[in-house]
Amino acid sequence: GPKVLQIPSHQIIDMGQMVTLNCDPVSNHLYFYWYKQILGQQMEFLVNFYNGKVMEKSKLFKDQFSVERPDGSYFTLKIQPTALEDSAVYFCASSPGLVSQNTLYFGAGTRLSVL
Amino acid sequence: AQKVTQTQTSISVMEKTTVTMDCVYETQDSSYFLFWYKQTASGEIVFLIRQDSYKKENATVGHYSLNFQKPKSSIGLIITATQIEDSAVYFCAMREGDNYAQGLTFGLGTRVSVFP
Repeated sequence: GPKVLQIPSHQIIDMGQMVTLNCDPVSNHLYFYWYKQILGQQMEFLVNFYNGKVMEKSKLFKDQFSVERPDGSYFTLKIQPTALEDSAVYFCASSPGLVSQNTLYFGAGTRLSVL
Repeated sequence: AQKVTQTQTSISVMEKTTVTMDCVYETQDSSYFLFWYKQTASGEIVFLIRQDSYKKENATVGHYSLNFQKPKSSIGLIITATQIEDSAVYFCAMREGDNYAQGLTFGLGTRVSVFP
């Protein structure tokens, strides 16, 4: 199926530092998403992004979080500053955005470890 | 508010048999979309199959099929002729309405272990 790429696969940083997670969505997809999964739990929606704007965000999307996709490059999730509770696997997803094709396709995730 | 519930935490089956997983959902919308994903041991999340609420026929893809019981708000996943590589955590998910942007709501997942 369609592939979403996430870079890096694992990131270790000290609490308080900034981190940027990168996502290369499927090329013709229009909607982009970030999800957070704490070990052993379900994935939880953070935010979605369309046409250069945040469309919807959950209460997990703290003020320290931001997303952007400058000039069609990587779709990024930035956390500044990081906190211990930000340790999780972050999954990027994209979808074509059509009702008939609104399936989300996920990347392999970036494991973020905040020390 | 939407909610997805998977009550089975784990299931163990022998290879080449059939496994069935339950999922019930709650929604106020008349139009919604239901999905099943699997998460492999490596963490990869793979889309398996979907059911659109307006379709009466159960979706089937390869050895995956759905048991869609709309009056019961239930969307079970059936895997026939299971293989060792079907061992994974299976997540049920839902999106309401025609809001393309809306994210999916996931259940807690069911861990399936397939033994030789």
